[in-house]
Amino acid sequence: AQTVTQSQPEMSVQEAETVTLSCTYDTSENNYYLFWYKQPPSRQMILVIRQEAYKQQNATENRFSVNFQKAAKSFSLKISDSQLGDTAMYFCAFKNSGNTPLVFGKGTRLSVIA
Amino acid sequence: IAGITQAPTSQILAAGRRMTLRCTQDMRHNAMYWYRQDLGLGLRLIHYSNTAGTTGKGEVPDGYSVSRANTDDFPLTLASAVPSQTSVYFCASSRLGGYNEQFFGPGTRLTVL
Repeated sequence: AQTVTQSQPEMSVQEAETVTLSCTYDTSENNYYLFWYKQPPSRQMILVIRQEAYKQQNATENRFSVNFQKAAKSFSLKISDSQLGDTAMYFCAFKNSGNTPLVFGKGTRLSVIA
Repeated sequence: IAGITQAPTSQILAAGRRMTLRCTQDMRHNAMYWYRQDLGLGLRLIHYSNTAGTTGKGEVPDGYSVSRANTDDFPLTLASAVPSQTSVYFCASSRLGGYNEQFFGPGTRLTVL
């Protein structure tokens, strides 16, 4: 079974600074998909960014980018120019190429400090 | 507004009572899911359904049942609630296929006393 590990339960960052959230996963599959979801205090789950394992180029969405290292099974999220609205729980998630549900890590609570 | 609705928003329930959490989506997604979220444990899959008429067990299915009579609805039933089922429950849906985003409902906060 696939597992997803987020080793940082909590992190904090100053407003306008850059922060990196770590995620590692374990799988024997070659083709799969990786996601980062954000959960602000409103409790709503919001997709931040996703990556296809067969693509070597790292995904980027505005201030959010990933560092995908397939051999190391690592999928970190970088948030640039952090804003107060980035304060949230961040979940890393894994999905096989088939019709399987997401497998989530335990989350990292990020606080952006003014 | 397209999306996923869940009901109730929150509920306090006596142990031993039966409870059904409702979930409806209007995006015509084939796949639907139920997760529970507990502090320090992230989201764990309870049950899922890839199409109407079929269901599958997730990581923590014991004490829960689901049905998928049509595409839009995916209710989750606790036959006899226990305090360890106190949690926030999220329903989600997606198109089939690995790259497709899972969309989540707003969640139901359930407290079993």
